[in-house]
Amino acid sequence: EPEVTQTPSHQVTQMGQEVILRCVPISNHLYFYWYRQILGQKVEFLVSFYNNEISEKSEIFDDQFSVERPDGSNFTLKIRSTKLEDSAMYFCASSPLKGQGDEKLFFGSGTQLSVL
Amino acid sequence: LAKTTQPISMDSYEGQEVNITCSHNNIATNDYITWYQQFPSQGPRFIIQGYKTKVTNEVASLFIPADRKSSTLSLPRVSLSDTAVYYCLVGNQAGTALIFGKGTTLSVSS
Repeated sequence: EPEVTQTPSHQVTQMGQEVILRCVPISNHLYFYWYRQILGQKVEFLVSFYNNEISEKSEIFDDQFSVERPDGSNFTLKIRSTKLEDSAMYFCASSPLKGQGDEKLFFGSGTQLSVL
Repeated sequence: LAKTTQPISMDSYEGQEVNITCSHNNIATNDYITWYQQFPSQGPRFIIQGYKTKVTNEVASLFIPADRKSSTLSLPRVSLSDTAVYYCLVGNQAGTALIFGKGTTLSVSS
C-alpha cells in the first residue's frame, strides 16, 4: 500500500537554527499538507499546498515557515529560526483530490522536532 | 466550519462493541463526516467517511441520523490494538482544511 514518507523521524536542533523537514507524498496525489502536534495536544493545521502554491495557511504558519516542492516527489517544510515552542511532531499528509469536504488525507509517521 | 463535540475518553473491554458519538449541530447541507484514528507517535489514519444513513467498511460502521446533527462511529468487537484516539471531522464544500478537535481517547482492556 502506498504511503507518505517523512524524514528524518527525529530532529534535534538549537534555538535559532534552520531546519528542513522532508516528505515524499503518495505519487499520484496532488494536495499536500503539514500539520503539527505538540505533545499531549491536538493535531493542528499549518498549511495546504497545491499546484506549487499555498492554498491555505493557519495563524501558526508565520513568516518563519515556508513550504516547497523542489522536484516532482519531495515536499518540504522549512523553519527559518526555530524557537522552543516549535518543538512538536510534524506530520505531512497528502490527498489525491481537494474534494469538497470529502477528501481523505493520508498521513506520514511524522518528524519529532526538538528545539533546545 | 461546523464544530464537533465528542467525549474526551471512553473505556472498554476486549470483544465489546464500542460506539463513539460526535455532535455537529451546525453541519451544513454538503458537509461530509470523516473519522480518523491515531496511535501514539503516529499520524492520523482515515477510518471511515459518510454523508448520511449508514456506511460500513472492514474496520467500522458509521451511523448518521436523518438530521445529520450527530454521528456514531461503531467499532465491533474491539481488541487491545484498538486503543487509540479517534477524531470526528466535518469537511465543508468550500474545501478548507480539515481541523482536528481533541478527539476521544479509547482505552481497551483485557
